[in-house]
Amino acid sequence: AQSVTQLGSHVSVSEGALVLLRCNYSSSVPPYLFWYVQYPNQGLQLLLKYTTGATLVKGINGFEAEFKKSETSFHLTKPSAHMSDAAEYFCAVIFSGGYQKVTFGTGTKLQVIP
Amino acid sequence: SQTIHQWPATLVQPVGSPLSLECTVEGTSNPNLYWYRQAAGRGLQLLFYSVGIGQISSEVPQNLSASRPQDRQFILSSKKLLLSDSGFYLCAWIRTSAAGELFFGEGSRLTVL
Repeated sequence: AQSVTQLGSHVSVSEGALVLLRCNYSSSVPPYLFWYVQYPNQGLQLLLKYTTGATLVKGINGFEAEFKKSETSFHLTKPSAHMSDAAEYFCAVIFSGGYQKVTFGTGTKLQVIP
Repeated sequence: SQTIHQWPATLVQPVGSPLSLECTVEGTSNPNLYWYRQAAGRGLQLLFYSVGIGQISSEVPQNLSASRPQDRQFILSSKKLLLSDSGFYLCAWIRTSAAGELFFGEGSRLTVL
């Protein structure tokens, strides 16, 4: 079955440290991949996406993600965490076929420690 | 530019009472529209999607229903709320020209007591 998994519901990093949020998908065909961010009591906004082409994707706020087909992964990284990065992050996938149904992971809450 | 509005932003309802959440999209026509629910620790669950007026598909059997009376209006309803209906409800539309990017409203927080 097609699915998307985010490892770690909570991640804590020190300010200035590397941020790494993990996302893996299960599909025989590479899907479209997205990362969204949600601040408290708000809707979600797009950080970055991968559809085709270059596998290293850069997004807003200094985040980037790399699509690795062999590992079926799309991990989100940022070299240096900032206090304003504290939020919940969702990996999302559109699997091939059918209408544009977006499947979300369960989310990872990022805490940034001063 | 396209915008999406949801209301009400928050509401507290007793068990057994009805529910109506509204979502309106501006600046686009014939959008695909979605209702998601976000419960604590459970990520986003797709409830309903619609590809056009009167066309509703349900993803999860439940106490809720959805309607699309106009092209840019999407309504989430319930005749009798359950405690388990509490959560954060998000309306979204998909930008097909941008390879499936979802645009979300600000959400409606429902507490059922």
